[in-house]
Amino acid sequence: QQQVKQSPQSLIVQKGGISIINCAYENTAFDYFPWYQQFPGKGPALLIAIRPDVSEKKEGRFTISFNKSAKQFSLHIMDSQPGDSATYFCAASISSNTGKLIFGQGTTLQVKP
Amino acid sequence: DGGITQSPKYLFRKEGQNVTLSCEQNLNHDAMYWYRQDPGQGLRLIYYSQIVNDFQKGDIAEGYSVSREKKESFPLTVTSAQKNPTAFYLCASSIMGDRSNEQFFGPGTRLTVL
Repeated sequence: QQQVKQSPQSLIVQKGGISIINCAYENTAFDYFPWYQQFPGKGPALLIAIRPDVSEKKEGRFTISFNKSAKQFSLHIMDSQPGDSATYFCAASISSNTGKLIFGQGTTLQVKP
Repeated sequence: DGGITQSPKYLFRKEGQNVTLSCEQNLNHDAMYWYRQDPGQGLRLIYYSQIVNDFQKGDIAEGYSVSREKKESFPLTVTSAQKNPTAFYLCASSIMGDRSNEQFFGPGTRLTVL
């Protein structure tokens, strides 16, 4: 019940296309859902996050869509660029807790020029 | 510059040796965390600390130890009891309370056992 399942494992998109990464969870107590971006050999960087009181959050070309009833959330990268090529991790957490994040397995995105 | 620093960037260890990974933050964050990352897997929590001189085990604490003598520092020791220590180790920090899950990560240390 503590797992977060992420798909696909890898993704290849043409420049200008839309990249979509999906995550699913079981624990309905989760109330914070961040996405992290990680470049090779670097630490993950917080990209965008959502709480379940909204169904969508947009920051620039990055959008999180959240479906509370389906217990799923997804990251959409619009107008994907070669510089977006990285590994993306979703995570879930319970606020007012220890701060423990449960991470998905990661998606390696390659954006072809 | 505020941030999290980890050292060394690369670390090589012989089997049977203990090694200590450094993590320092100047963000004035109360909470600090250690994660392990293996290829094709998400990050897994090793230990975390919400206050000086106190820390708790995460999901994979066996073979690791930590200390938290200063707010800014949270070193991780990989002991000889850790059977498969080769991995990328990440330190993170956050404020306390409802936003403790908004974690910021350091650049990582890659540990290789020879």
